[in-house]
Amino acid sequence: QKEVEQNSGPLSVPEGAIASLNCTYSDRGSQSFFWYRQYSGKSPELIMSIYSNGDKEDGRFTAQLNKASQYVSLLIRDSQPSDSATYLCAVTGSGYALNFGKGTSLLVTP
Amino acid sequence: GAVVSQHPSWVICKSGTSVKIECRSLDFQATTMFWYRQFPKQSLMLMATSNEGSKATYEQGVEKDKFLINHASLTLSTLTVTSAHPEDSSFYICSARQGAIYGYTFGSGTRLTVV
Repeated sequence: QKEVEQNSGPLSVPEGAIASLNCTYSDRGSQSFFWYRQYSGKSPELIMSIYSNGDKEDGRFTAQLNKASQYVSLLIRDSQPSDSATYLCAVTGSGYALNFGKGTSLLVTP
Repeated sequence: GAVVSQHPSWVICKSGTSVKIECRSLDFQATTMFWYRQFPKQSLMLMATSNEGSKATYEQGVEKDKFLINHASLTLSTLTVTSAHPEDSSFYICSARQGAIYGYTFGSGTRLTVV
């Protein structure tokens, strides 16, 4: 079974700090990797997508991918209280469906 | 940007009745639609994949006769929960794939409560 693993947290960081979220996946054939943010009772919203090894930066967010280690991470710089949410790692599986991890709960404290 | 409109946002129904959830892609053609279910404190679990004009492919453990999926057009996919029971109470979310470049667009979700 294809699995996506995340530490459920909660991960607590002070405002202004860097939050580091990690994800591992089991399917070596996966080609596309995504980070979504989900607020309670809401649908996921896309934060970052990454398709090749290395880093990808977008504003305060940096996604890192290492296919050899089957590892994806998300760094959030200058964390804000509004960043407090559950962060879902998603990886494409067969038929292009996304397989989601259980999510990491992030709490940014003022 | 791409929008997937999902209705209703929430629904309460009596045990034994059926409920239909609609997802419409408003400004693009969704050749593939994915349906997910999310229980409290859990992640999104893929229920089925539907392609326009063909039968849906269900994930292992999902009852296809209970969760009827219709993808009759490139802009509309529906999920019908038949003979709903309290254990079907969950958050149902659809997602459309636009292709390799544009990725995935999610509907706003439907909170189903069966009483």
